[in-house]
Amino acid sequence: AQTVTQSQPEMSVQEAETVTLSCTYDTSESDYYLFWYKQPPSRQMILVIRQEAYKQQNATENRFSVNFQKAAKSFSLKISDSQLGDAAMYFCAYGRGAQKLVFGQGTRLTINP
Amino acid sequence: DAGITQSPRHKVTETGTPVTLRCHQTENHRYMYWYRQDPGHGLRLIHYSYGVKDTDKGEVSDGYSVSRSKTEDFLLTLESATSSQTSVYFCAIRAGTASTDTQYFGPGTRLTVL
Repeated sequence: AQTVTQSQPEMSVQEAETVTLSCTYDTSESDYYLFWYKQPPSRQMILVIRQEAYKQQNATENRFSVNFQKAAKSFSLKISDSQLGDAAMYFCAYGRGAQKLVFGQGTRLTINP
Repeated sequence: DAGITQSPRHKVTETGTPVTLRCHQTENHRYMYWYRQDPGHGLRLIHYSYGVKDTDKGEVSDGYSVSRSKTEDFLLTLESATSSQTSVYFCAIRAGTASTDTQYFGPGTRLTVL
């Protein structure tokens, strides 16, 4: 079975600085998708970024980018120019297409003003 | 918000009572999912549906049943609630094209079983 591990339960960063959240996963498949979701205090799950495993190019969405290392089964999220509104729980997820997502345990990100 | 609503948003019930949570979508998506969220576990899949009357089990399906009699509604039932089922429950739909295929989530239901 696939597993997703987020080894940093909590992270903090100064406002305007850059932070990287780590995620590793285990799979024997070659074709899959990876996601980062953000969960602010409102509890709503919000898609941050999506990566297709067959694409070598790292996905980017404004201040959010990923470092996808397929051979190492690593999928880290970099947040540049951190803002107070970025404070949230961040979840890494694995799926075959968007079916039956497997989530990591989450990383709580705090932004210090 | 992908047109997903969940009801109720909060519920407190007693051990042994039946509970049904409802997920409603307005955009005719084929796939729907139920997850639970517990501290230290992220989200875990309970059941999912790939069409009307077509459902399958997820990772943590014991103690739960689901039904989907029409495209827009996906019901999750706890036949006899237990304290271990105290959790936040999320419904999701699968949407997008081949290049944007993603799951989108409802606002969640907080269930407390006393």
